[in-house]
Amino acid sequence: GQQLNQSPQSMFIQEGEDVSMNCTSSSIFNTWLWYKQDPGEGPVLLIALYKAGELTSNGRLTAQFGTTRKDSFLNISASIPSDVGIYFCAGQDHSGGSNYKLTFGKGTLLTVNP
Amino acid sequence: DGGITQSPKYLFRKEGQNVTLSCEQNLNHDAMYWYRQDPGQGLRLIYYSQIVNDFQKGDIAEGYSVSREKKESFPLTVTSAQKNPTAFYLCASSQVVISGELFFGEGSRLTVL
Repeated sequence: GQQLNQSPQSMFIQEGEDVSMNCTSSSIFNTWLWYKQDPGEGPVLLIALYKAGELTSNGRLTAQFGTTRKDSFLNISASIPSDVGIYFCAGQDHSGGSNYKLTFGKGTLLTVNP
Repeated sequence: DGGITQSPKYLFRKEGQNVTLSCEQNLNHDAMYWYRQDPGQGLRLIYYSQIVNDFQKGDIAEGYSVSREKKESFPLTVTSAQKNPTAFYLCASSQVVISGELFFGEGSRLTVL
């Protein structure tokens, strides 16, 4: 099956620093999505990307859909303590037989030191 | 408020017992999903349902069963055939299956003793 390589696995940063994480795949995806999971909760959608090359912002978050359709990155600017959590990328395949299944990365655990 | 409700949040069971996890949504979404999350792993799809009375196996369906008798409800049964059932289980929904924009419940943590 399809696999996503998400990096880094974990990050320890100081409050105010910028953060960057990315996902790469050996196959093409039609949609890239980024979710955040707070401890003990379900993930929440942060950003959805639908076109190759698309760059989208949501407050301090910026995400891009790679032009090859095989990668995506998420940047967080000026981190704050509530940014702590696990960030997941997900790719969606729209090809025949895929049933529009989402493939999730293993997540990036972000810790922000105040 | 619209959302997804999972229950119970914590569940302890003895090995060999079947367990049913509840998932209810009031978002009027057609598609519903069950994922399993293990530490340091991504989310793995167990089952999904595009419409009422229809469901499909995901990547790790063995040892699990589901039903979709009502649009708003998608319970998951973890059977005794599931070899390693201790995990965090997440239910999600989307307006239609073609959408990757999932709304997740708060999860149910199952511990098998």
